[in-house]
Amino acid sequence: EVQLVQSGAEVKKSGESLRIACKGSGYSFTNYWISWVRQMPGKGPEWMGRIDPSDSSTDYSPSFQGHVTISADRSTTTAYLQWSSLKASDSAMYYCARGIAVAGNGRDYWGQGTLVTVSS
Amino acid sequence: EIVLTQSPATLSLSPGESATLSCGASQIISGSYLAWYQQRPGLAPRLLIYDASSRATGIPDRFSGSGSGTDFTLTISRLEPEDFAVYYCQKYGSSPPFTFGPGTKVDIK
Repeated sequence: EVQLVQSGAEVKKSGESLRIACKGSGYSFTNYWISWVRQMPGKGPEWMGRIDPSDSSTDYSPSFQGHVTISADRSTTTAYLQWSSLKASDSAMYYCARGIAVAGNGRDYWGQGTLVTVSS
Repeated sequence: EIVLTQSPATLSLSPGESATLSCGASQIISGSYLAWYQQRPGLAPRLLIYDASSRATGIPDRFSGSGSGTDFTLTISRLEPEDFAVYYCQKYGSSPPFTFGPGTKVDIK
């Protein structure tokens, strides 16, 4: 069974760093891109970027480029989303997903989401 | 960067009725690489339609997608109680970013 399991909720302060995780299992981790999606309270989803775990190549949305870093560890089949300096506006639910935004692909898998709360 | 718009913002319908949701793009989406998602409260989005008109795995045939270029449509025939949710379109393909539209909420009349 394909699963994406995300790390737990985080409460941080502005200026702190953070890394959240998304562990894939039940499939060949290096065969599928992983995307990260932000959803602020009461708002629609925003595609942040994606990583190809086979070679760690990445694409970012201009809206997030330079503010977050997406990485992956093939040995632990885990993708990461990290911030070096959080802002209060980073408070949101973050989802990892496999199989979204892929031509010809009719099967998506999502993590359960990680709620990030940043206080100023 | 391609910008997506969705209309209407809210659609109030009764169970059994049909829903027609629109998604417009600021530029032609090559390859018709346009997806539709459903999101219920507290849950992650769920893929309904990919490549503009192909139903995702396990999606009932009352959901259908059409369109090309800059204009796309999601049709839900015979609304079921579980279909009352928010629907988003997303463009993808060879040129990131893969932006989402602002959404259409389908609520019970």
